[in-house]
Amino acid sequence: AQKITQTQPGMFVQEKEAVTLDCTYDTSDPSYGLFWYKQPSSGEMIFLIYQGSYDQQNATEGRYSLNFQKARKSANLVISASQLGDSAMYFCAMREGGVDNDMRFGAGTRLTVKP
Amino acid sequence: EPEVTQTPSHQVTQMGQEVILRCVPISNHLYFYWYRQILGQKVEFLVSFYNNEISEKSEIFDDQFSVERPDGSNFTLKIRSTKLEDSAMYFCASVRNNSPLHFGNGTRLTVT
Repeated sequence: AQKITQTQPGMFVQEKEAVTLDCTYDTSDPSYGLFWYKQPSSGEMIFLIYQGSYDQQNATEGRYSLNFQKARKSANLVISASQLGDSAMYFCAMREGGVDNDMRFGAGTRLTVKP
Repeated sequence: EPEVTQTPSHQVTQMGQEVILRCVPISNHLYFYWYRQILGQKVEFLVSFYNNEISEKSEIFDDQFSVERPDGSNFTLKIRSTKLEDSAMYFCASVRNNSPLHFGNGTRLTVT
């Protein structure tokens, strides 16, 4: 069963504007972690931000913030002040339980920042 | 900052041949993973490895696949008899504890 859902195959945003990339997940495990990764055209996977299921506050890392709504099982990524270099694929991922469990990825959202 | 390194960056092989993809995880990391990404598609989990044995594997990781940590630094993925559909980017990742995975830059495998 699909555990991570990213419903936006592609998104466009104007440079300097904010954009929200959606991610919903499904789990019955009370302990889990949510991650966002960026994959530019060069192919590497770059970690952006992490939210633990027990974290009380939404995670933030520079221009990235995670809008964590636990009851709705959503973990949307917000990128503020978009830059041309933000154009990339963005993947949401979840790991249930401990670190030896696999991390499952969503299908990804391709973000294009327009000048 | 320490990195996960993967070699080669690109490997071309003929169908039916064996390939070994190599990874050097970050030195103090304890958990190791292989993922693959077929071009334009999602990143798929293959296998996790801890304490010199497989912790978990996906349905993709069938008998054609094996992993090994032959020494203290390398972590390898072997595909015994490659098929056309094995063509993909293969990512190695490692982590020390319950933190985000550190990915290598990947090996692009092309099976002809």
